[in-house]
Amino acid sequence: AQKITQTQPGMFVQEKEAVTLDCTYDTSDPSYGLFWYKQPSSGEMIFLIYQGSYDQQNATEGRYSLNFQKARKSANLVISASQLGDSAMYFCAMREGAGANSKLTFGKGITLSVRP
Amino acid sequence: DAGITQSPRHKVTETGTPVTLRCHQTENHRYMYWYRQDPGHGLRLIHYSYGVKDTDKGEVSDGYSVSRSKTEDFLLTLESATSSQTSVYFCATQRETYNEQFFGPGTRLTVL
Repeated sequence: AQKITQTQPGMFVQEKEAVTLDCTYDTSDPSYGLFWYKQPSSGEMIFLIYQGSYDQQNATEGRYSLNFQKARKSANLVISASQLGDSAMYFCAMREGAGANSKLTFGKGITLSVRP
Repeated sequence: DAGITQSPRHKVTETGTPVTLRCHQTENHRYMYWYRQDPGHGLRLIHYSYGVKDTDKGEVSDGYSVSRSKTEDFLLTLESATSSQTSVYFCATQRETYNEQFFGPGTRLTVL
């Protein structure tokens, strides 16, 4: 089974509107972390937001928030007030456990296009 | 930014030739990683290192080897490149007590 699932096809959003990018995960480890990265057309990977499995509140970073629903094993990224510069590929990732052998597993990504 | 550089940034090579990609960091991060990115697959872990001379295999390690003789350098070697290894390769680093991984700019490798 895939550990990280991003099944949405290319997403479109109107500038200044909010958009939700879906991510579901699968793990039996009680300690894990969830990440979102942005990859614009220039190719670099940009860290956006992190949520720990024991965090009581949803993570927020500026216009980004993570809608963490532990029981449903979902970690959706919400981008508020979309900007043209938000057009990019977005990757959800998960780390299970901790320490030296803890590694990130990435989803396949979602393409977001922001329309003016 | 963690000050991660990758070299070369672009390379075209022929099947059967050896190729070495270099990742260099200036932040003294303990952990280093090599990923490959292919359409429809996201990023997949090739090898990683949790200290000097300490390395381990990732999800797609066949055909690749790594070495880390200094904290700041992590080398990825394709012993005999194949066309299936045409990809974009990313290096990443992570501090021991933090969760975020910092990524290098990537190397686009084409094997003809």
